[in-house]
Amino acid sequence: QVQLQESGPRLVKPSETLSLTCDISGGSIYSYYWSWIRQSPGKGLEWIGSIYFAGDMYNTGGTKYSPSLRSRISISLDTSKSQFSLKLRSVTAADTAVYFCARQVGNDYDSYYFDYWARGTLVTVSS
Amino acid sequence: DIVMTQSPDSLAVSLGERATINCRSSQSVLYRHNNNKNYLAWYQQKPGQPPKLLIYWASTRESGVPDRFSGSGSGTDFTLTISSLQAEDVALYYCQQYYSSPPTFGQGTRLEIK
Repeated sequence: QVQLQESGPRLVKPSETLSLTCDISGGSIYSYYWSWIRQSPGKGLEWIGSIYFAGDMYNTGGTKYSPSLRSRISISLDTSKSQFSLKLRSVTAADTAVYFCARQVGNDYDSYYFDYWARGTLVTVSS
Repeated sequence: DIVMTQSPDSLAVSLGERATINCRSSQSVLYRHNNNKNYLAWYQQKPGQPPKLLIYWASTRESGVPDRFSGSGSGTDFTLTISSLQAEDVALYYCQQYYSSPPTFGQGTRLEIK
């Protein structure tokens, strides 16, 4: 059974960088997209971005980012630790949300639905 | 971006009765050229929990999901049906398209017991 577990600071100051890590256990990291999604009362469920690992140890895979967040985010994958990470720069109060990491079914060309989700982490942006 | 619109926003149904939630996409999510599949999923979210995948490819039930849940529709109009509402089905339900990036979700439908 695939399990995902997020970790990282729950409180971030405005203009600083939000950093979260998701640990993957119980399943292969190959041939899936590893994704970040957030949920806030004002905007519902919002996809942030995904990273794909095709199984090539020299290529941690391509990334897809939300156009609205592209300039501020980066997602990376550490295959040796079976974990992936999110960095969201220059945060404001509007970035306050519950952040989920999730596994997204897909292949080299397309990404599909999200079949496993972590419990979610509330990150508050406040001074 | 493809906009997903669900209706109604909230719904109250008696135990044992049928519940129907609708989802409309701003453009077709049917991919005709290759697999003729509708790129649409449904999720259930209970308080304090992450969304749970119920249905993908518009009508394929995820493993372990009770058969009272079913998905139908094609193109731009889709329906999630719960054939006989159980108390544990009280939740928020979301549709999601994966036809094009970015993947987008509906605003959610809250299902309650009447």
